[in-house]
Amino acid sequence: AQSVSQHNHHVILSEAASLELGCNYSYGGTVNLFWYVQYPGQHLQLLLKYFSGDPLVKGIKGFEAEFIKSKFSFNLRKPSVQWSDTAEYFCAVNANDYKLSFGAGTTVTVRA
Amino acid sequence: SAVISQKPSRDICQRGTSLTIQCQVDSQVTMMFWYRQQPGQSLTLIATANQGSEATYESGFVIDKFPISRPNLTFSTLTVSNMSPEDSSIYLCSVGQGFNEQYFGPGTRLTVT
Repeated sequence: AQSVSQHNHHVILSEAASLELGCNYSYGGTVNLFWYVQYPGQHLQLLLKYFSGDPLVKGIKGFEAEFIKSKFSFNLRKPSVQWSDTAEYFCAVNANDYKLSFGAGTTVTVRA
Repeated sequence: SAVISQKPSRDICQRGTSLTIQCQVDSQVTMMFWYRQQPGQSLTLIATANQGSEATYESGFVIDKFPISRPNLTFSTLTVSNMSPEDSSIYLCSVGQGFNEQYFGPGTRLTVT
């Protein structure tokens, strides 16, 4: 089974700052990688995904993530955050079987 | 992506009782799943709801505690049986679409007193 670890439990930053959230997974085979976001009071939404090809993937709202196979990592980045990026962010993986394993989540608070 | 609704959105229940949560999708989907998100924790897969056959449960979850129905390709229910305060969680339904992608419903917030 896969396991996912997210390095930061809570990140606080100011508007226009850059954001990077770490995600590492453990699984020896081929995986699909996802970042989900949950804005306050809203349901979980897919932010971006990686299946194959270019390891740098771009998602919605200016987010991107880079898959580094040698490091088993899939870090999420945004060059300049906005107050509206305040949310909880979850990294998730599956192994071509739809079943998702989630990380513990990172709460991001952006101060105006 | 599919539009997913859940009922109820929240409930407060007494220990020892059962609650059935409904999940409705606006299009036919093959794969449906149920997850639990305990307070302060991440999401954990409970089971895969299979249409026309018994659900497939993950380690640590059993049918007697979490019976699941999937009568057709747009609907599923999850029952939380004989509840205890430890069952207080958010329960989420999701559907699989595309290539291994999942989309989630709004969740049902359950509090057991």
